Amino acid sequence: AQKVTQAQTEISVVEKEDVTLDCVYETRDTTYYLFWYKQPPSGELVFLIRRNSFDEQNEISGRYSWNFQKSTSSFNFTITASQVVDSAVYFCALSDLYNTDKLIFGTGTRLQVFP
Amino acid sequence: DTGVSQDPRHKITKRGQNVTFRCDPISEHNRLYWYRQTLGQGPEFLTYFQNEAQLEKSRLLSDRFSAERPKGSFSTLEIQRTEQGDSAMYLCASSLEAAGTEAFFGQGTRLTVV
Repeated sequence: AQKVTQAQTEISVVEKEDVTLDCVYETRDTTYYLFWYKQPPSGELVFLIRRNSFDEQNEISGRYSWNFQKSTSSFNFTITASQVVDSAVYFCALSDLYNTDKLIFGTGTRLQVFP
Repeated sequence: DTGVSQDPRHKITKRGQNVTFRCDPISEHNRLYWYRQTLGQGPEFLTYFQNEAQLEKSRLLSDRFSAERPKGSFSTLEIQRTEQGDSAMYLCASSLEAAGTEAFFGQGTRLTVV
């Protein structure tokens, strides 16, 4: 069965601290896609990044970086120098590639950044 | 394009009433998904359309739920004889037809059954 686990329910940091959100996934597929979405209080899920199973290169986008390790089935997300605007719930998701591409989400990590 | 839009944003209904939600996907997207999200949980898949064809329904989608996507454009999700357990955020997403492509989500419809 496919599953995504986000063990951190809530994280609180002070502005300018670095923070890492963990994501562990389970799948039997050899080809798959992983995603991170941000859900601010408004409710809309905002796409952040997509990574396919054949590309283990880490990615950096501004203050955001992602570390994908197939050996540990992890796809962690780091925010450097966090800001108050980063406060949101962050979801990691796995695409059910061979079955409609529907997303299987983790339970999310609520990040609170205090000034 | 303004993205995926959902209507209404909020709905309060009495138990036993029927409710209908609408989703307008991004115009060139032929894939459309409905998800349900309860408090403190991640979204859970409900159903999937490719153009006008409903190709998958989750076991979460009981007989009281029905979804349509006439002409492959907007979609509606109807819940009949609502129950308190139906209270949740209903999210719609759309995407292009390409493996592993990202889905774009609407702001959701928050349903409260009293």
